[in-house]
Amino acid sequence: DAGITQSPRHKVTETGTPVTLRCHQTENHRYMYWYRQDPGHGLRLIHYSYGVKDTDKGEVSDGYSVSRSKTEDFLLTLESATSSQTSVYFCAISELVGTYEQYFGPGTRLTVT
Amino acid sequence: GESVGLHLPTLSVQEGDNSIINCAYSNSASDYFIWYKQESGKGPQFIIDIRSNMDKRQGQRVTVLLNKTVKHLSLQIAATQPGDSAVYFCAENRDSGAGSYQLTFGKGTKLSVIP
Repeated sequence: DAGITQSPRHKVTETGTPVTLRCHQTENHRYMYWYRQDPGHGLRLIHYSYGVKDTDKGEVSDGYSVSRSKTEDFLLTLESATSSQTSVYFCAISELVGTYEQYFGPGTRLTVT
Repeated sequence: GESVGLHLPTLSVQEGDNSIINCAYSNSASDYFIWYKQESGKGPQFIIDIRSNMDKRQGQRVTVLLNKTVKHLSLQIAATQPGDSAVYFCAENRDSGAGSYQLTFGKGTKLSVIP
């Protein structure tokens, strides 16, 4: 998975609790992305980062925030988890030198009860 | 083809046959396309890409065809093997203007290989 780790890999949490997912890369790539994957919707972009402290919203950003204080780490926070945020979350990285290819992490399965 | 509901389109092929997976993309200004393979429980993996100034690109056992007139992309897998069983996604480049080059993903097609 191209030097990308995600933690935790699985999490069950209750509605209303805060949750933070971590993405860590060892590739020193500039761009990092958070996606969620749900049946019937494919991969949808939540937030992305184009550098340390530089982030922007994606297609489905409501209820999520992100932070990137170091090149290698990109955190996704659900301030108050809801059942609709039950999903599989993928982190991706890219360098965008000659290609727009993104490399994906192994995913985090989050269940909100 | 692309999913329009909760269930992925499924393609079943006999081992050794060729597979063709189709994708319709949405943005006529997209200039770059990627095919990803996703095995169960794993993240998507890059298969092959193509730029809009090309009609065809070949890799190892895979070929991508691009028809810009009808905004259609296809992935051909030659001599399909059991290890090819997975969900296949197409993705198109959409420059967000901030230089982030977002990818927009299709909903995927599930390929099942019959031994």
